[in-house]
Amino acid sequence: QVQLQESGPGLVKPSGTLSLTCSVSGGSIDSINWWNWVRQSPGRGLEWLGEIYHSGSTTYNPSLQSRITMSVDKSRNTFSLRLSSVTAADTAVYFCARRYYGNNYWQFDHWGQGTLVTVSS
Amino acid sequence: EVVLTQSPDTLSLSPGEGATLSCRASQRVSNAFLAWYQQKPGQAPRLLMYGASSRATGIPDRFRASGSGTEFTLTINRLEPEDFAVYYCQQYGTSPPYTFGQGTKLEIK
Repeated sequence: QVQLQESGPGLVKPSGTLSLTCSVSGGSIDSINWWNWVRQSPGRGLEWLGEIYHSGSTTYNPSLQSRITMSVDKSRNTFSLRLSSVTAADTAVYFCARRYYGNNYWQFDHWGQGTLVTVSS
Repeated sequence: EVVLTQSPDTLSLSPGEGATLSCRASQRVSNAFLAWYQQKPGQAPRLLMYGASSRATGIPDRFRASGSGTEFTLTINRLEPEDFAVYYCQQYGTSPPYTFGQGTKLEIK
């Protein structure tokens, strides 16, 4: 059973960089899946941030294009999110999720439990 | 960007009743890339339906989804106590960003 687990600082200073890692267990990150980041806040609801393939190919939300970087570490079976120049508006619960191809459809079938990141001085 | 608008915002029903949740897209969405999720407080979204009408693993058959183009529906028959939660639709078609609806809260009447 695939499991995803987010980790990283829960508090980031304004103008700083938010860094999170998602550890994948029960399956290889080096497979035909796309690895995603989604965040949720009361004001913005669920917001898709971007996704990465094990090759390093990425697709980002255009609204974050200038601030977001995603990477994958196949040796550790993890993928990561970096969001720069953060403000209070980036305070949210951040989820990692797998977009998996099965039964002829892509599906966001496995999600991490989420981690709260607060932007505050 | 495809905007998804869900209705109603809140639905108050009793266990045993049926629920109908709607999701309207600002532009056509391929059925292959329309999903529904259930979320309970403090938990991640849980995939219910994908491909507009296919149930995810372990989802009981009282959950059904349909629709095409810009209008999609999630129907829950014979509500169980554990079904009361927030439900989201999502589209993840060929043109990011992938987007979610604002959610429908299904609450016990």
